[in-house]
Amino acid sequence: EADIYQTPRYLVIGTGKKITLECSQTMGHDKMYWYQQDPGMELHLIHYSYGVNSTEKGDLSSESTVSRIRTEHFPLTLESARPSHTSQYLCASRQGGSYEQYFGPGTRLTVT
Amino acid sequence: QKEVEQNSGPLSVPEGAIASLNCTYSDRGSQSFFWYRQYSGKSPELIMFIYSNGDKEDGRFTAQLNKASQYVSLLIRDSQPSDSATYLCAVGPRYGNNRLAFGKGNQVVVIP
Repeated sequence: EADIYQTPRYLVIGTGKKITLECSQTMGHDKMYWYQQDPGMELHLIHYSYGVNSTEKGDLSSESTVSRIRTEHFPLTLESARPSHTSQYLCASRQGGSYEQYFGPGTRLTVT
Repeated sequence: QKEVEQNSGPLSVPEGAIASLNCTYSDRGSQSFFWYRQYSGKSPELIMFIYSNGDKEDGRFTAQLNKASQYVSLLIRDSQPSDSATYLCAVGPRYGNNRLAFGKGNQVVVIP
């Protein structure tokens, strides 16, 4: 079982607030990912990281930022929350050389 | 054309029967193929992966890959109510790219 954690699990917040979603993994995986998923829809890649100080934008990255200062930690920040950000956010990781991604439990975000 | 297509609607199967799910992909150079199970409100859980043409069996699950026809399928034998979930197909692209493309998923309902 993968050891990957996300906090908070649920968040309700007002429009315009700054939000940081936390993701940590204890497996030493070098690659980490953030996905957004709406009910019944595909996972959309927001950001990914190949290692410390290495981040890349995905398909839905324009309104968020990430950082990778430590191998185990990959936080996602929304500078100004909007109702369109209401969704489930999933963090995943994998070890280089393996294509198998493991997901955290997710953060369900509601912006009012 | 989407990268990964899972077009079937919800699949209802009686307990003990075989559930069959299909997935097609557009990138002929794809190298790795995954099936994830996602229970309602939960994060995806990796259940099968396959890299080579043919069949791969793991317990009650069998993944089948046909690269020439660009499809991958998942069979669930002796379906149990606990198999009721959405099954996501994911495809890994060409060498040097770490991103997986996910389909929308197929919902399976096992009827006791």
